[in-house]
Amino acid sequence: GQNIDQPTEMTATEGAIVQINCTYQTSGFNGLFWYQQHAGEAPTFLSYNVLDGLEEKGRFSSFLSRSKGYSYLLLKELQMKDSASYLCAALNQAGTALIFGKGTTLSVSS
Amino acid sequence: DTAVSQTPKYLVTQMGNDKSIKCEQNLGHDTMYWYKQDSKKFLKIMFSYNNKELIINETVPNRFSPKSPDKAHLNLHINSLELGDSAVYFCASSPSRFQETQYFGPGTRLLVL
Repeated sequence: GQNIDQPTEMTATEGAIVQINCTYQTSGFNGLFWYQQHAGEAPTFLSYNVLDGLEEKGRFSSFLSRSKGYSYLLLKELQMKDSASYLCAALNQAGTALIFGKGTTLSVSS
Repeated sequence: DTAVSQTPKYLVTQMGNDKSIKCEQNLGHDTMYWYKQDSKKFLKIMFSYNNKELIINETVPNRFSPKSPDKAHLNLHINSLELGDSAVYFCASSPSRFQETQYFGPGTRLLVL
């Protein structure tokens, strides 16, 4: 089976750095995704990790440790527009479908 | 140009009715998906089609029947709607069945009264 855990809610202030953690338990591992979803909108792709380490993409970075079943999304220089839900997702064993966590709602205040 | 489009955007209907949601992608992708997002924002895979062939069918009631007339379209028909079917339904596509990035449509907000 597959299980993905992430915190339900987080708060932060503009300009700060926030780290959203995700732990996963999967029958096999084929990659770990992060998606952003603003209220009332569709999820949009942020990052994909299949090897251990840090992937940096502008203000957003994603880290993966396969041995620990752990990933995090790091958001730097937070802006109000970063207020959204952040979804951690792992591929199923066959690599054919995404299994999503329940999402972390991030609220950024001024 | 909209990459993944869905119609309708909103759907309000009575229990027991039958309704359809349409999805089209113009990305040339081979694989399309239907997800359900419930009131707690939990996003769950329902179906996946690759080149018009069903490859994933999660434990979804058989009142839900997907149809893919061609690889650019994946429609979802729901029979005998129930209150618990109220949710946001997202269509998505990816280049192949072996998971690159998925691109999501804007969602269809279904409310069953």
